[in-house]
Amino acid sequence: QVQLQESGPGLVKPSETLSLTCTVSGGSINSYYWSWIRQPPGKGLEWIGYIHYSGTTKYNPSLKSRVTISVDTSKNQFSLKLSSVTAADTAVYYCARVGGYNSHFDYWGQGTLVSVSS
Amino acid sequence: SYDLTQPPSVSVSPGQTASITCSGDKLGDKYTYWYQQKPGQSPVLVIYEDNKRPSGIPERFSGSNSGNTATLTISGTQVMDEADYYCQAWDSSTGVFGTGTKVTVL
Repeated sequence: QVQLQESGPGLVKPSETLSLTCTVSGGSINSYYWSWIRQPPGKGLEWIGYIHYSGTTKYNPSLKSRVTISVDTSKNQFSLKLSSVTAADTAVYYCARVGGYNSHFDYWGQGTLVSVSS
Repeated sequence: SYDLTQPPSVSVSPGQTASITCSGDKLGDKYTYWYQQKPGQSPVLVIYEDNKRPSGIPERFSGSNSGNTATLTISGTQVMDEADYYCQAWDSSTGVFGTGTKVTVL
């Protein structure tokens, strides 16, 4: 059974960079696409972007200028960096596996709350 | 940008049928996916590729997609089905989620 676990700071200061890592267990990160999704408190889901194990990436146009997603196949991990954060970036951040190209999100992490505050 | 619009809320009595719509331009030309999210939990896939149920999802969940509207139907709704539901599609390899619908069973 594939499991995903997000890790990283729960508090980030405004204008700084948010950094999160997703560790995949129970399966290889090779093959499949891997995605980041976020959900502000009390609001809906927002897709941030995905990465293929080969390194190919695609980002939400609304966040593209601030987002970088990378992969470390040796550690079975992929990571998210979001720069120049503001309070509007406060959200629960989920990592998820994409079941195929342009397919469904079939495995999700438990999510981690990241607050942006000084 | 591509938008998917859902009704904010749907109310249904136990045992009755709940229908949740998801509207987007030419949505019927794309696959639609549906997720259920209960408070404090991660979303769970309930329908993929318009009308397929993942293993472990009850038969009372079904889906359809045509024209500009996809629909998630819950037949014989149970109290345990009370949750937020999100549709999702891909537009030019960009992931898009619907606005979400809160289903209340009362």
